Amino acid sequence: GESVGLHLPTLSVQEGDNSIINCAYSNSASDYFIWYKQESGKGPQFIIDIRSNMDKRQGQRVTVLLNKTVKHLSLQIAATQPGDSAVYFCAENRDNQGGKLIFGQGTELSVKP
Amino acid sequence: DTGVSQDPRHKITKRGQNVTFRCDPISEHNRLYWYRQTLGQGPEFLTYFQNEAQLEKSRLLSDRFSAERPKGSFSTLEIQRTEQGDSAMYLCASSVRSQELNEKLFFGSGTQLSVL
Repeated sequence: GESVGLHLPTLSVQEGDNSIINCAYSNSASDYFIWYKQESGKGPQFIIDIRSNMDKRQGQRVTVLLNKTVKHLSLQIAATQPGDSAVYFCAENRDNQGGKLIFGQGTELSVKP
Repeated sequence: DTGVSQDPRHKITKRGQNVTFRCDPISEHNRLYWYRQTLGQGPEFLTYFQNEAQLEKSRLLSDRFSAERPKGSFSTLEIQRTEQGDSAMYLCASSVRSQELNEKLFFGSGTQLSVL
């Protein structure tokens, strides 16, 4: 399954499928990007980050892609599991802003067993 | 478990009352952040500390809000004369400033404030 557009708040996928969550960021000066996962009643949990001098970074079952030309970020989750169900936020940062992150709206991922 | 601890987890108060929240960061982290999150939205930056110094405050932080980190360890966020619009999740995060240019923030579970 794949989310499209800037403001699609929900994404529903079948267990075992790959998920793609998209995010458009606002500031061309941003040089650091992070994906967070937030489960109900909990704080955001760091998933993966990428700096602007890279266009792809892989973690365990997750891959982040960065397209600076169109200011677009995506999170790919391989073999999506029920435990992946959560809201996913992208966040952007510039070095001179320290840890001051600008968060996107978020996408709710629902995994059907 | 990220190691950032917040207390209380939930707070219900009446409009006009004062409330105070506490955050204990990861022990070796010198930076501490407060964010606010409303339902369906991403967290919004409020303020941050490096050790005991408060380095930046957002325009979202009205005069009724005050944050402290007196010994460079735990921090408190106080809201005076609460209003219904203050109802939100208040998140604390910590990080360590290193030679790397960007910081990885670790968030606590937040304090959910409901103002009646």
